Amino acid sequence: ETGVTQTPRHLVMGMTNKKSLKCEQHLGHNAMYWYKQSAKKPLELMFVYNFKEQTENNSVPSRFSPECPNSSHLFLHLHTLQPEDSALYLCASSQGRGIYNEQFFGPGTRLTVL
Amino acid sequence: KQEVTQIPAALSVPEGENLVLNCSFTDSAIYNLQWFRQDPGKGLTSLLLIQSSQREQTSGRLNASLDKSSGRSTLYIAASQPGDSATYLCAVGTSGYSTLTFGKGTMLLVSP
Repeated sequence: ETGVTQTPRHLVMGMTNKKSLKCEQHLGHNAMYWYKQSAKKPLELMFVYNFKEQTENNSVPSRFSPECPNSSHLFLHLHTLQPEDSALYLCASSQGRGIYNEQFFGPGTRLTVL
Repeated sequence: KQEVTQIPAALSVPEGENLVLNCSFTDSAIYNLQWFRQDPGKGLTSLLLIQSSQREQTSGRLNASLDKSSGRSTLYIAASQPGDSATYLCAVGTSGYSTLTFGKGTMLLVSP
């Protein structure tokens, strides 16, 4: 595997379900990101991790819970979601945190909340 | 607050045409600007990264220019092909911000 991978690629869940999205990067990077992409809106940054530590939470509702056990893996735990949370969730990584480092993106998880 | 606007929102051209996609930003204190390509339902692929000290970057049939003072960047695609059909996103790294600011994208369709 190379680059940034995400699983699952598609996920359908009810509002009472609990599910998790997984991201893995094989680039030796130290920073990882979760973004949300909704129809007709710009990408929205959700969380940033640098060396496993969360450095940014962009006012994301608590029904989204990130976890970064090491610099290569990033999870997004989902619980009691709303239909408006349906979107494409993208993971990215970069060598260092912030705007000075080029970000590399995974293919995304298409989430549908019923 | 940095805001990024991409015009047009959608563009349809016949194969072989040269075309220009536009990106404008409100805060000129940028560190870099990146153009991405996104195929339907897929992630982002980085096309070109321009540092604030640069005026342009080229990769194959793609050329991106940057004019910081006017808050503009253009992505020029030469001799367009059906395989170029995708959404093109512009993202700006602004000094004092912790991460990139994205535009909504331009959806390009190149017909054979």
